[in-house]
Amino acid sequence: DTGVSQDPRHKITKRGQNVTFRCDPISEHNRLYWYRQTLGQGPEFLTYFQNEAQLEKSRLLSDRFSAERPKGSFSTLEIQRTEQGDSAMYLCASSFGSGQPQHFGDGTRLSIL
Amino acid sequence: GDSVTQMEGPVTLSEEAFLTINCTYTATGYPSLFWYVQYPGEGLQLLLKATKADDKGSNKGFEATYRKETTSFHLEKGSVQVSDSAVYFCAITGGGNKLTFGTGTQLKVEL
Repeated sequence: DTGVSQDPRHKITKRGQNVTFRCDPISEHNRLYWYRQTLGQGPEFLTYFQNEAQLEKSRLLSDRFSAERPKGSFSTLEIQRTEQGDSAMYLCASSFGSGQPQHFGDGTRLSIL
Repeated sequence: GDSVTQMEGPVTLSEEAFLTINCTYTATGYPSLFWYVQYPGEGLQLLLKATKADDKGSNKGFEATYRKETTSFHLEKGSVQVSDSAVYFCAITGGGNKLTFGTGTQLKVEL
């Protein structure tokens, strides 16, 4: 069990640029989740996949955000035309099936200049 | 929608003191309940869980009991250590499988 891996750990970019984050879940886990965490707050749900199917998206996920999990393994989260308010920690989690505990990666911290 | 309310921090205790962090929730149906911990500079780690009423989750000396009648899941530890200093998050999963978190409670344990 190598845990959930996220890359990069930290991304600094200028406003208006596009960014992409990657998440590699625990290998046998079929569910993959994305959350966003701002300072002093708990993580907020963005979206989740079961295998390659994206089953739920939060209204927090504006049309500038897109997530994929093309082969049911790793996932990418892309933010287009970044804004100041996108600065946050982006967390990925995975689980084996419904109702099972979610295991989190260390997150990608996004800083918008 | 689902929501979680937990006591605000920071909570500052002396080593070997008793810890309680309150957590209450609102949810439709019968959620599973979790406590996650975030140590400084690290990611979220699952601390303990309970999946049905009256279940007690426990790990590393921490305990929490699923109280359906009071919709609560308070975290307790009988004797805290400096190494327990961290931010603790209460979370629930409703029917949608996503986790809904509280705002977190920072615990500081001093010698």
